[in-house]
Amino acid sequence: QLQLQESGSGLVKPSQTLSLTCAVSGGSISSGGYSWSWIRQPPGKGLEWIGNIYHSGRTYNNPSLKSRVTISVDTSKNQFSLKLSSVTAADTAVYYCARAIAARTYFDYWGQGTLVTVSS
Amino acid sequence: EIVLTQSPGTLSLSPGERATLSCRASQSVSSDYLAWYQQKPGQAPRLLIYGTSSRATGIPDRFSGSGSGTDFTLTISRLEPEDFAVYYCQQYGSSPLTFGGGTKVEIK
Repeated sequence: QLQLQESGSGLVKPSQTLSLTCAVSGGSISSGGYSWSWIRQPPGKGLEWIGNIYHSGRTYNNPSLKSRVTISVDTSKNQFSLKLSSVTAADTAVYYCARAIAARTYFDYWGQGTLVTVSS
Repeated sequence: EIVLTQSPGTLSLSPGERATLSCRASQSVSSDYLAWYQQKPGQAPRLLIYGTSSRATGIPDRFSGSGSGTDFTLTISRLEPEDFAVYYCQQYGSSPLTFGGGTKVEIK
């Protein structure tokens, strides 16, 4: 059974960089046919797609986050990561990692989510 | 960007009743690439439906999806106690991927 687990800093100061990692177990991140995603959900609100990465390293990001997002993959550790720079209080959210079916991009496996709070 | 509008915002029903949830897109969703998720408090979303009408693995057949173009529907034929939750639609026909604002199905 595929499992995804987010980890990283739960509290980030404004203007700093949010960093999260998603460890994948029960399957290889290098498997073809999938992409690996970040999605977030502000408290009490809906879901927002942040971006996807393929094991090749190719990424697709949400333009709403402009150039603040960096998603990377480490196939040797079977994990992928998110960096979001210049954070503000509006970036406070539960951040989920998820697996997407490549070229279809709906999300069939999700991590449990991790709350990141932006506050000084 | 395709904006997805879900209605109603809240649906108050009793167990055993039929639930009909709507998801309307601001423009046609390519190839009917529309998915539905269920989310319970404190949990990650769970995939229910993809490709408008295909049930994900392990999803009971009381859940069904339909629609095309800009109008899509999730139907729960007979509500079970575990079905009371928030439901989101998501389009993956064009980038950026977008989600609807959600419909909460609550116990009447």
